[in-house]
Amino acid sequence: QKEVEQDPGPLSVPEGAIVSLNCTYSNSAFQYFMWYRQYSRKGPELLMYTYSSGNKEDGRFTAQVDKSSKYISLFIRDSQPSDSATYLCAMSATGNQFYFGTGTSLTVIP
Amino acid sequence: EPEVTQTPSHQVTQMGQEVILRCVPISNHLYFYWYRQILGQKVEFLVSFYNNEISEKSEIFDDQFSVERPDGSNFTLKIRSTKLEDSAMYFCASRRFASGKTNTGELFFGEGSRLTVL
Repeated sequence: QKEVEQDPGPLSVPEGAIVSLNCTYSNSAFQYFMWYRQYSRKGPELLMYTYSSGNKEDGRFTAQVDKSSKYISLFIRDSQPSDSATYLCAMSATGNQFYFGTGTSLTVIP
Repeated sequence: EPEVTQTPSHQVTQMGQEVILRCVPISNHLYFYWYRQILGQKVEFLVSFYNNEISEKSEIFDDQFSVERPDGSNFTLKIRSTKLEDSAMYFCASRRFASGKTNTGELFFGEGSRLTVL
């Protein structure tokens, strides 16, 4: 049983579009959720951190967690070519061992 | 901005050789981690380290692996006898606090050390 499922894409959108990225999970004990951006052959860069359910907004990014559905989302508004990267979701029950999704490859076309 | 630094950026080694990957976590962080990412696959947890001891490890982290914090700044991952399947990008990560309800549990990653076993 896979802990975290994430559509690998690739996802291609025009500049300025709203992007929706999603992950589902099976472990109801997960309560710490993060979204990372990863450029090719680089380390994951933290975008958003959320504890438990709810929404969190930071600039053009909004993270949503729905624990009842075991579903998390990342929305990117007014997408830019510089947002082109792989987006990883990560989650944990203890805050110690994080389980990652496979990553969604996003391309924003100018 | 403080960052996690890793060396070497790339290491090529022969199967059976010992490898040490080095990391300097962010200076006021207390929790340290190693993750790895085989090319095209998920980022996978290896081990967590707190208060000079391993707090959690995965099935991947077998007897061939060890971690050490030899001084107040470095955090190392040793692979005693490398295998072909150890070829991967190894990421060091650190956090200030254990995860909590506030923005204090963020996990910061280094740029990674690419290990190639021939």
